[in-house]
Amino acid sequence: GDSVTQMEGPVTLSEEAFLTINCTYTATGYPSLFWYVQYPGEGLQLLLKATKADDKGSNKGFEATYRKETTSFHLEKGSVQVSDSAVYFCALDMNTGFQKLVFGTGTRLLVSP
Amino acid sequence: SQTIHQWPATLVQPVGSPLSLECTVEGTSNPNLYWYRQAAGRGLQLLFYSVGIGQISSEVPQNLSASRPQDRQFILSSKKLLLSDSGFYLCAWKGQGKYNSPLHFGNGTRLTVT
Repeated sequence: GDSVTQMEGPVTLSEEAFLTINCTYTATGYPSLFWYVQYPGEGLQLLLKATKADDKGSNKGFEATYRKETTSFHLEKGSVQVSDSAVYFCALDMNTGFQKLVFGTGTRLLVSP
Repeated sequence: SQTIHQWPATLVQPVGSPLSLECTVEGTSNPNLYWYRQAAGRGLQLLFYSVGIGQISSEVPQNLSASRPQDRQFILSSKKLLLSDSGFYLCAWKGQGKYNSPLHFGNGTRLTVT
């Protein structure tokens, strides 16, 4: 079935470091891809999305490019801040008309000053 | 604007006790509604979804059930909790017929079954 694989965490970085969180997917068709972020004690918020190959989603300095050839959607940020500390989830939707997202296990990011 | 409310925020229940978690959405009508569970070290698992009042689809067989008594109310229940029911439960909604639009999540309920 459809699935999403994320890198194990936690990812520990110093402020202003470059961030990459890897995400790869397995799907039988052409899914839409999402990154969600979960801050401590809160629910998930959409961070960015891409709906077709080569699309780049971006928000709050984060970017991810939909790579069909490598079935990947890696999350990147050039300079992280302490406030970026959170759990990041990669997810896919098979565009079946009823959105049932398949989530990865999440990657915890810890940014120290 | 639309908001989603979920309660309680935390809950500690003994094995064998009943469960009722409630979720309500404001500012929209006829939303699709979802219950997800996040177990420790695992991703989010879709438990139930609903496209309308009284219409519930179950994704995973288990001792949980869901109901939608009103358009913007979604309830997760159990008659007898198991230890394995511990986890973080998230309610979410999405507008009907809006492909590629995001899910909007509540703040979750952390359930510990002892």
